[in-house]
Amino acid sequence: EAGVAQSPRYKIIEKRQSVAFWCNPISGHATLYWYQQILGQGPKLLIQFQNNGVVDDSQLPKDRFSAERLKGVDSTLKIQPAKLEDSAVYLCASSLIGTSGRDRFFGPGTRLTVL
Amino acid sequence: SQQGEEDPQALSIQEGENATMNCSYKTSINNLQWYRQNSGRGLVHLILIRSNEREKHSGRLRVTLDTSKKSSSLLITASRAADTASYFCATDGKAGGSEKLVFGKGMKLTVNP
Repeated sequence: EAGVAQSPRYKIIEKRQSVAFWCNPISGHATLYWYQQILGQGPKLLIQFQNNGVVDDSQLPKDRFSAERLKGVDSTLKIQPAKLEDSAVYLCASSLIGTSGRDRFFGPGTRLTVL
Repeated sequence: SQQGEEDPQALSIQEGENATMNCSYKTSINNLQWYRQNSGRGLVHLILIRSNEREKHSGRLRVTLDTSKKSSSLLITASRAADTASYFCATDGKAGGSEKLVFGKGMKLTVNP
């Protein structure tokens, strides 16, 4: 079974630039999550989708971050404009509907460096 | 906000020794989970313990949960160099209608061959 795919794996940009990350979840997984993991910390949930609807975006900085999952499959996370403190690894995860934790599969992440 | 706090933050042991990691949390939970993250990789789910369970085993892993103290421990027995990774506890509780998995800051384990 293919895992969660993310691209790019690494991205370096200057502050105030824009950047977008892509995630392809495991086939059949209706729930998709984006996490931000700052160096030395645990992942923090940014947004959770159920199919193409947003379930939780309470910790998403909506003034600069946006995410979409138009067809209920792939998702993109965008930052515009980026700040230095956005440097982090952005992890995408997916799970089946109604599962709790153990069936949440994580992608390898995209490491963003903002200069 | 991060709920779990792992202790110690870093641990270095020799291959074959046991490694114990502790996690404390603040609010009520449905379950508590442990994850492993190898350098440059995504997180891998290790084990889940429900709030009504006190101990659980999976291979070389043993997890305990004390809800009265709001704490959990992860024991890795007979450690191997391949166990070198960061370990995170994560609490799973219902909040605002969505399933929230809140991670701690993590603990770096180094197993020396």
